[in-house]
Amino acid sequence: KNQVEQSPQSLIILEGKNCTLQCNYTVSPFSNLRWYKQDTGRGPVSLTIMTFSENTKSNGRYTATLDADTKQSSLHITASQLSDSASYICVVSAQYAGNNRKLIWGLGTSLAVNP
Amino acid sequence: DTAVSQTPKYLVTQMGNDKSIKCEQNLGHDTMYWYKQDSKKFLKIMFSYNNKELIINETVPNRFSPKSPDKAHLNLHINSLELGDSAVYFCASTPGTPGSREQFFGPGTRLTVL
Repeated sequence: KNQVEQSPQSLIILEGKNCTLQCNYTVSPFSNLRWYKQDTGRGPVSLTIMTFSENTKSNGRYTATLDADTKQSSLHITASQLSDSASYICVVSAQYAGNNRKLIWGLGTSLAVNP
Repeated sequence: DTAVSQTPKYLVTQMGNDKSIKCEQNLGHDTMYWYKQDSKKFLKIMFSYNNKELIINETVPNRFSPKSPDKAHLNLHINSLELGDSAVYFCASTPGTPGSREQFFGPGTRLTVL
């Protein structure tokens, strides 16, 4: 069964600290993995998208890693800011015959950055 | 300029009513989606259209009827609203076929059914 599991469910850190969010998936056949940031009351915004051959991808203070062998991804946030408080969602795309793809969404990690 | 826009932003209505939510994207994307996000914050895909053609229908009750007059618009009409329909509905779009590229989301429509 295709699943995406994220941990922790929620996290509280102090401003300026680093943190790492985890995403484990059992999606097959794998096409790509994305991380989205969703601020309260807004739609998700894409942070990174990685294919099978990409191990690391950065977007400013956000760095995503992908280990396709162990089917794990992480999102590392460096020098957190108050504006990083949001839900971070891992999404994995499965690719089937005929260029058909299906997106499997994780439940997200709720991050709160406190001053 | 807003890339993906939705109207209305808030919708409060009585059970049994019929309502519509509109979505427009000015990104030139081929694929558009409707998602439902419930109180547990889980985003669940409802429909996907590629070039005005329905390609994904995720076992959504037939009270929900999407309509795509052109590839820049995907509207959602809901008949006989029920309490369980209360949620935030997000429209999204992506270039190319579903799942191939990142999605761009609208600001959401918060539907409250009383």
